[in-house]
Amino acid sequence: EAGVAQSPRYKIIEKRQSVAFWCNPISGHATLYWYQQILGQGPKLLIQFQNNGVVDDSQLPKDRFSAERLKGVDSTLKIQPAKLEDSAVYLCASSLEVFPGELFFGEGSRLTVL
Amino acid sequence: SQELEQSPQSLIVQEGKNLTINCTSSKTLYGLYWYKQKYGEGLIFLMMLQKGGEEKSHEKITAKLDEKKQQSSLHITASQPSHAGIYLCGADKGSGNTPLVFGKGTRLSVIA
Repeated sequence: EAGVAQSPRYKIIEKRQSVAFWCNPISGHATLYWYQQILGQGPKLLIQFQNNGVVDDSQLPKDRFSAERLKGVDSTLKIQPAKLEDSAVYLCASSLEVFPGELFFGEGSRLTVL
Repeated sequence: SQELEQSPQSLIVQEGKNLTINCTSSKTLYGLYWYKQKYGEGLIFLMMLQKGGEEKSHEKITAKLDEKKQQSSLHITASQPSHAGIYLCGADKGSGNTPLVFGKGTRLSVIA
């Protein structure tokens, strides 16, 4: 069974530029999550989708971050414009059930903002 | 908001030694998840605990949730280099969603 796919693995941009990350969850997983993990910290949830609807985006900085999950499958997370403090690993995860359930994580997309 | 404190922040042990990592919550835990992360990789699910006093084992790793459901411990017996990585505990908010809050992690190094 294929795992959660993410791309790109690494991205370096300058501040005020834009960037987009893509995630393809495990086939059949209805719930998709984007987490932000800053170096030395645990992952912080940015947004949770159930199919193509948003369940929780309370910690998403909506002035610069946006995410969509069209057709309830793959998802894109965009940052525009990027700030230095956005340097982090962006992890995508999916699960079969909302609760309780094991989250399956992708390898992450590492963003460096200069 | 629920906070999770992990201790120690980092740990260096000699191969073959036992070790324990703790995760303490400021609120009652409805579900406690343990994950392992290797540098540059995603998180790998280890175990989930829900009931007070519950204990689960997988190979040489044992996790417990205390009776009051505010603390969990992860114990590794006879550590090996393959156990090295970052161990993260995650908490269920109890609102019907899978874990939304993670601790900062414990970085484990195992030396020969």
